[in-house]
Formats: sequence, structure tokens, C-alpha cells
Amino acid sequence: DQQVKQNSPSLSVQEGRISILNCDYTNSMFDYFLWYKKYPAEGPTFLISISSIKDKNEDGRFTVFLNKSAKHLSLHIVPSQPGDSAVYFCAASPTLYQAGTALIFGKGTTLSVSS
Amino acid sequence: KAGVTQTPRYLIKTRGQQVTLSCSPISGHRSVSWYQQTPGQGLQFLFEYFSETQRNKGNFPGRFSGRQFSNSRSEMNVSTLELGDSALYLCASSPTGTGGQPQHFGDGTRLSIL
Repeated sequence: DQQVKQNSPSLSVQEGRISILNCDYTNSMFDYFLWYKKYPAEGPTFLISISSIKDKNEDGRFTVFLNKSAKHLSLHIVPSQPGDSAVYFCAASPTLYQAGTALIFGKGTTLSVSS
Repeated sequence: KAGVTQTPRYLIKTRGQQVTLSCSPISGHRSVSWYQQTPGQGLQFLFEYFSETQRNKGNFPGRFSGRQFSNSRSEMNVSTLELGDSALYLCASSPTGTGGQPQHFGDGTRLSIL
């Protein structure tokens, strides 16, 4: 049973517009959430994270929103650039500050940004 | 600052053989985690090591094992390889492996079983 779901396998956006990637989770114990970007033949690169005590976190063009009651988070990229074209993974971990924590990943969304 | 280094990048093995993969974490990072990525299952957690001790383990058979050395480098071993073990194996490091710390990934080892 998938605990972290990215229901859109792909998303196409024009350069300069906003990209919104969505993620849903089922486990109420999750309290730390991350987004990773992955290019072909490379490992995932950490983008941005948020803990359950916040509902928004920004870093440059990237903003993550967390809606705990809906068990939903989203990543906004503004403005989108062709170099943002990659697979984006949502990940979650339970029990903030617990040692040896494993990340639970969604299956990814492929973002294509056209110029 | 050098990132996570995994060797080798590619491996081809046959069924029944065993394989050892290596991971050097970011300097100063003492926690190393291993993940398996396949098209069907996505990224799945294998195990995590800190100070040479396995602290957490995912739902994989005992054929999958690992260890960590005193310099925090880690190895992962898979014995009696099966076709289904074909995957990208990713290593990730973080300072202490505590929840709330992002994990930083290497580029992986692509294992193909013939």
C-alpha cells in the first residue's frame, strides 16, 4: 500500500509559468517532507523540505506548501525554466528527530518545461 | 565539498552470483542509507547505518546486507542474485541520520542481472 502518492505521472508547462507538483500521503505519523529532483543517470538532488510545524517554506523559485488536515503537499516552481525539466520525487519521514529515519518516496512526476 | 560517491557506476552479473557495492558519504556525514530504485516499486529503503551499527532496516530479504566502516564508508552486499534484483542502488548520507535532516544521494550503481 503506497503511503506517499504522486498521482500525476507527468506535467508539461511553458517557460516562465508556474509549475505545481502535488503529493498526497496516508500515514499520520509523517512529519517531515522533502522534494527531490532527478535528472537521468544522476542521483536525486535535494530541493526543499518542510516540517509539520509549518505550512509553507520558500527557497528562491521553490515553495512547498503543506496541508496537514488534507494530508497533501505541493511544490510550486515560479518561474519555470527549461532546466527544471526532470523527475520530481516527494518523500516523507515519520517521527521528526528519530534516529535512523527512512524516507518513504512517491513514484515521481516528470516535469517538462518548454521554451 | 565532495558529494556522495558510489562505485562502481555499472555492474553486470548473472543469477546466483553475489555483488558488493561501495559508498563514500559526504565528509563529516556519519549516517549512510541505501535505497533500491526499480520502475515498478520506485525508491525503497533498504537499511541505514550510523557508527558502524545498523539502526533501521526495510522490508528486504536477508540476501541484502550491509556494513559500515569506522570512516563512515559503507558497503552493500547482495548474495544469490535474482533477476528481480536488477535495479539502481542509491546511497544517501546525512550528518546523523536524524529525522529532519535531508539525505544527500550519490549517482547510484546500476546493477543488471542476466
